[in-house]
Amino acid sequence: NAGVTQTPKFQVLKTGQSMTLQCAQDMNHNSMYWYRQDPGMGLRLIYYSASEGTTDKGEVPNGYNVSRLNKREFSLRLESAAPSQTSVYFCASSESLRLRNTEAFFGQGTRLTVV
Amino acid sequence: GDSVTQMEGPVTLSEEAFLTINCTYTATGYPSLFWYVQYPGEGLQLLLKATKADDKGSNKGFEATYRKETTSFHLEKGSVQVSDSAVYFCALMDNAGNMLTFGGGTRLMVKP
Repeated sequence: NAGVTQTPKFQVLKTGQSMTLQCAQDMNHNSMYWYRQDPGMGLRLIYYSASEGTTDKGEVPNGYNVSRLNKREFSLRLESAAPSQTSVYFCASSESLRLRNTEAFFGQGTRLTVV
Repeated sequence: GDSVTQMEGPVTLSEEAFLTINCTYTATGYPSLFWYVQYPGEGLQLLLKATKADDKGSNKGFEATYRKETTSFHLEKGSVQVSDSAVYFCALMDNAGNMLTFGGGTRLMVKP
């Protein structure tokens, strides 16, 4: 009963380094999401994928790229990390984008610090 | 654009006290409204939701009523427990239905 699994849980990067955050879900969900959580600002959507093979920008996509590798996996890449990207990152999945009728399930988060 | 405003925390209560966490929203049309909870070290979990005006969502003793006239969705619980200590997020989903807009979160601390 893993649900949504994110790796790593913690990461420290130097400015300019690159890294990929991994996310996998075992619920056969069609839609997946990447959010960032900053103090006092709630969660903001970075990118989402409605279904395998499609990705779309959310509210704060600049500085990030994503790949929907297959139905299970949705990765988030920082090509050149900046201190402003210090945040907690959450991956989520849902059966469809119609969240009125379904529920989004979240991973445990990745705490990223860029120094 | 859409927005959600929550009362700032932390909210500190004694066990068995009454809880209210205020949430108001700005959106066009008739959004769906949600409360998510984040326990320490975990991701967010859906607590309850309401999809139309005057609907009441409820779960685990928590309730919230969708009030379109006041654009509010306040979370209430009659008697909190220490295990309710967590961060609570109010969120909305607009009619287009592909993005959740979250409030800033409210940390609740319940003391024995």
